[in-house]
Amino acid sequence: GQNIDQPTEMTATEGAIVQINCTYQTSGFNGLFWYQQHAGEAPTFLSYNVLDGLEEKGRFSSFLSRSKGYSYLLLKELQMKDSASYLCAAMDSNYQLIWGAGTKLIIKP
Amino acid sequence: GAVVSQHPSRVICKSGTSVKIECRSLDFQATTMFWYRQFPKQSLMLMATSNEGSKATYEQGVEKDKFLINHASLTLSTLTVTSAHPEDSSFYICSARDPVRTAGPQETQYFGPGTRLLVL
Repeated sequence: GQNIDQPTEMTATEGAIVQINCTYQTSGFNGLFWYQQHAGEAPTFLSYNVLDGLEEKGRFSSFLSRSKGYSYLLLKELQMKDSASYLCAAMDSNYQLIWGAGTKLIIKP
Repeated sequence: GAVVSQHPSRVICKSGTSVKIECRSLDFQATTMFWYRQFPKQSLMLMATSNEGSKATYEQGVEKDKFLINHASLTLSTLTVTSAHPEDSSFYICSARDPVRTAGPQETQYFGPGTRLLVL
C-alpha cells in the first residue's frame, strides 16, 4: 500500500534549526512536496523535490533520497511565525498526492 | 500567480439543508481541481478529483450523491453538500493544478483558503 510517515509533533527554540523527516512508500514516484499549514488555514506550497539532493530556498531547505524513500525539510533561524503544521506529500505514478498526517512544529522563545 | 479563491469562507446551516461551496482559479485556467476535507488535527483527505467538462472521480468511501461536484468551466468548480448532517461539519479545501508552470512545478497544487462548515 501507499504510505507516508512523519513525526506527529516537534518542538524547537526560536533562532535554532529543526529537521522534519518524512518517509514514503508509493506506487511509482513523481516528486515529493512540502506544504506549510497554519491552524485554521489552507496549506501553502513550500518545496518540491523530484531529483536526489538538497534544494535550498531561503531559510527552508528540502532534501530527497529516492533510493531510501526519504525526505526532510530543514528550517533555519526559526521564527515564532514558523509555528505550524508541515505536510509531506508524495506524488504517485498517477500524479495523485499521497499525504502524510502532518508534523506540528511548536516554536518556543 | 496561481491564486485560488473559495466562497464562502464559513457557513453554518441546519441539518438537512444543502450547502454549495465555490472554488475559483483567479489567474490561471485549471483543467483539474481537487476537493479535500480536513477534520481537526488530521491531515487532508482527498474527496474527489474534478475535471472540467467531465464527471468527477470520487475516492473510495465518498458518496457521490451526497457530495455533488460540478466543474463547468476552466476556472470554477463547485461542491454541494446535500442534506448536510452534523457529521459533515469539517474544513473543506479545494486546490487546483496550474497546467502552465508558474511559481512552482507543473504538478504543484495551489490551495484555496478553505471553507469551514458547521451543521447544527
